Amino acid sequence: KAGVTQTPRYLIKTRGQQVTLSCSPISGHRSVSWYQQTPGQGLQFLFEYFSETQRNKGNFPGRFSGRQFSNSRSEMNVSTLELGDSALYLCASSSLRDGRNEQFFGPGTRLTVL
Amino acid sequence: QQQVKQSPQSLIVQKGGISIINCAYENTAFDYFPWYQQFPGKGPALLIAIRPDVSEKKEGRFTISFNKSAKQFSLHIMDSQPGDSATYFCAAAEGTYKYIFGTGTRLKVLA
Repeated sequence: KAGVTQTPRYLIKTRGQQVTLSCSPISGHRSVSWYQQTPGQGLQFLFEYFSETQRNKGNFPGRFSGRQFSNSRSEMNVSTLELGDSALYLCASSSLRDGRNEQFFGPGTRLTVL
Repeated sequence: QQQVKQSPQSLIVQKGGISIINCAYENTAFDYFPWYQQFPGKGPALLIAIRPDVSEKKEGRFTISFNKSAKQFSLHIMDSQPGDSATYFCAAAEGTYKYIFGTGTRLKVLA
């Protein structure tokens, strides 16, 4: 089974621009979560989608948004980029195992904002 | 109350030694505690996980010890190897999908 894929792997943008990141979950997984990883803050939960619906959202400003398509692929968008948005953005897809969502992470998209 | 506190921030262990990483939480609603291993340039990979109804879980050289009353859990890596050098994250989940991660421990195992 192919793992979680994220595109692009690296991205350089300037302040004020917007960016869209893509995530393809493991086949059959319907839940996709997004995280922001920075050296100082660790992994912080952005949001989670299941069957095209956002089920939960972390404490990020409205500039961060996402969506999920009918094939479970997900995108996240960051508008009006700020320097502090530079981070590794990780996507995780989940499957139920023993009644528990087990998360599998992709390699991430490294976003640099100049 | 949603935080998971992880320590130490970094750890250096000799080959063959035991690596111990600790995590503590406040929210008693957390009911799933996974540990992830992350190598540079890669996403975190699930290593081992435990539920609060057991006090210990072992998989190979990796063991989770869980103390429900103290709201603490730890990862023990026995016979640590240079290939174990990575960043380790503990996490806690409430419900089925929201994970709160610790800040990570950078482990270096000396050959």
